[in-house]
Amino acid sequence: EAAVTQSPRNKVAVTGGKVTLSCNQTNNHNNMYWYRQDTGHGLRLIHYSYGAGSTEKGDIPDGYKASRPSQENFSLILELATPSQTSVYFCASGDAYRPNSDYTFGSGTRLLVI
Amino acid sequence: GDSVTQTEGPVTVSESESLIINCTYSATSIAYPNLFWYVRYPGEGLQLLLKVITAGQKGSSRGFEATYNKETTSFHLQKASVQESDSAVYYCALGSNSGTYQRFGTGTKLQVVP
Repeated sequence: EAAVTQSPRNKVAVTGGKVTLSCNQTNNHNNMYWYRQDTGHGLRLIHYSYGAGSTEKGDIPDGYKASRPSQENFSLILELATPSQTSVYFCASGDAYRPNSDYTFGSGTRLLVI
Repeated sequence: GDSVTQTEGPVTVSESESLIINCTYSATSIAYPNLFWYVRYPGEGLQLLLKVITAGQKGSSRGFEATYNKETTSFHLQKASVQESDSAVYYCALGSNSGTYQRFGTGTKLQVVP
């Protein structure tokens, strides 16, 4: 079954440290997305990608980098983690050839920066 | 800009009672909005509940329904009789045929009590 898998499920990081959140999809979708979920804000888009080698800034990219080395993998990188980046992060994939289709989401990564 | 506003949670409803979660959207840069309701159960990622891509149409799934009203820019989610298993977080989302990334509301946490 096609799926989006995120790792780790939970992460505790220290302020100033580097954090990498990973996402793998087996949907063969071109498009992939990283959102963060915070109370009162809903899901906000951080970065997205149209395919291997492509990364684009979303609505709140500051403090984050993204990497898409292959069709299947899309990583979110926090070079210098800060407590304000404590959140739940969701990765999703979408079919570029069916733009009105829904996204497939991973189960989320809960990040705590102390 | 493009945005989604939905009912602030949490919402508590007694089992077998009716439910409505309001959603309104602003689509200033999207000529033909697509509208979605996603649901997130505890410990899981978001999954599609229903979608409507044509104004005036109604979508339905698992007893839930929502009508795409272009005049009032609304896409309210309704269910005539909720069950405890409906307890989850519900997200309204706005997309487009051009593939612009989906924008999500804040999410509404629903708790159904016996």
